[in-house]
Amino acid sequence: GAGVSQTPSNKVTEKGKYVELRCDPISGHTALYWYRQSLGQGPEFLIYFQGTGAADDSGLPNDRFFAVRPEGSVSTLKIQRTERGDSAVYLCASSLTLGGGYNEQFFGPGTRLTVL
Amino acid sequence: QKEVEQNSGPLSVPEGAIASLNCTYSDRGSQSFFWYRQYSGKSPELIMSIYSNGDKEDGRFTAQLNKASQYVSLLIRDSQPSDSATYLCAVLGNAGNMLTFGGGTRLMVKP
Repeated sequence: GAGVSQTPSNKVTEKGKYVELRCDPISGHTALYWYRQSLGQGPEFLIYFQGTGAADDSGLPNDRFFAVRPEGSVSTLKIQRTERGDSAVYLCASSLTLGGGYNEQFFGPGTRLTVL
Repeated sequence: QKEVEQNSGPLSVPEGAIASLNCTYSDRGSQSFFWYRQYSGKSPELIMSIYSNGDKEDGRFTAQLNKASQYVSLLIRDSQPSDSATYLCAVLGNAGNMLTFGGGTRLMVKP
């Protein structure tokens, strides 16, 4: 079946602009995660959703970052007043179950964000 | 101190050899452990998961877990040039459902 999809694959914006990144999880997966990966580092957790609600947003770096999942499927990560330090690959993952330890997360192709 | 530690490498092995990748973690309450493979410019791909102490084999891959030593490893037998990639160790902590990743080990398999 189809995997996690993310759009756009690349986004170039200017400092101070607003961007939205979209994630469409694997069908039937209830949990959805956002991570950010900088060059040469492992992904870092941002936020995850169980259904429509953000179950944990402790990884969001500041209040310029916000994410929604209004219908419990597609999620949008929103970044206001972008800064050059926001440049990274933004990864979305989904899993079949939340908790219980058996939580295999499958990643989408990522969105490469470049802030000029 | 980073919560999940990996040697950044590169680890260079000849084709056909066994590649051994190691990872240590600090959270004793961690319950699940994963290995992801990441080719340059691509996203992480799940290749192994392990939940209990001991070995778990899948094809040419064997994951090993020792919770007492807080150590997890990945062995790749009969290494192929196509195995050349960065291998990320990820840990699911007791505190939540997010994965904590190591920095990755870059593996190079030379023909």
